[in-house]
Amino acid sequence: EAEVAQSPRYKITEKSQAVAFWCDPISGHATLYWYRQILGQGPELLVQFQDESVVDDSQLPKDRFSAERLKGVDSTLKIQPAELGDSAMYLCASSYAGTSVNEQFFGPGTRLTVL
Amino acid sequence: AQSVTQPDIHITVSEGASLELRCNYSYGATPYLFWYVQSPGQGLQLLLKYFSGDTLVQGIKGFEAEFKRSQSSFNLRKPSVHWSDAAEYFCAVGERNAGNMLTFGGGTRLMVKP
Repeated sequence: EAEVAQSPRYKITEKSQAVAFWCDPISGHATLYWYRQILGQGPELLVQFQDESVVDDSQLPKDRFSAERLKGVDSTLKIQPAELGDSAMYLCASSYAGTSVNEQFFGPGTRLTVL
Repeated sequence: AQSVTQPDIHITVSEGASLELRCNYSYGATPYLFWYVQSPGQGLQLLLKYFSGDTLVQGIKGFEAEFKRSQSSFNLRKPSVHWSDAAEYFCAVGERNAGNMLTFGGGTRLMVKP
């Protein structure tokens, strides 16, 4: 069964360092999402891609976060510099394209700890 | 903008007992509704979804949910809980014609007593 892949699964870094997370969506899924999930809370959308284009990044802290999906397949989310408040689970999801709502398939996530 | 409320942060039930997890949403039109489950340290798995039609929706692992428009609710139920159901459960609402965006509730952590 096709799955969304993410790496690394765990990342520990010191504040002010740069970190990067990678996501490979299910083959054929044009839409890719990055969510941040703070411990004890539900996921919050950071950025949504349709192919290589950003559809929504209104909740992405653009002073330190960046996301790209250069060839419309896999994606990278970067934080530079990391802050203590960035400690969270970062989830990637993908879905088929379309204006109607489709099921989003989630990867296992990257657990980030900033010391 | 839509919002989702899961009033119960933690719920503990005995194995074999019935379960109901509450979800209330705020949205101007008929929403798309989802329930996801998350095991510790893992991603989210879809349990069931409501788009239209029959308001009682069957999902995987013996779960079902009922959409009640008058109460703006989409509660999740299971007649007999198994120890393996212990996890965190998230309700989510999707906005029609908004590019597949989902808004999640804060989650309910389910613990199962032997």
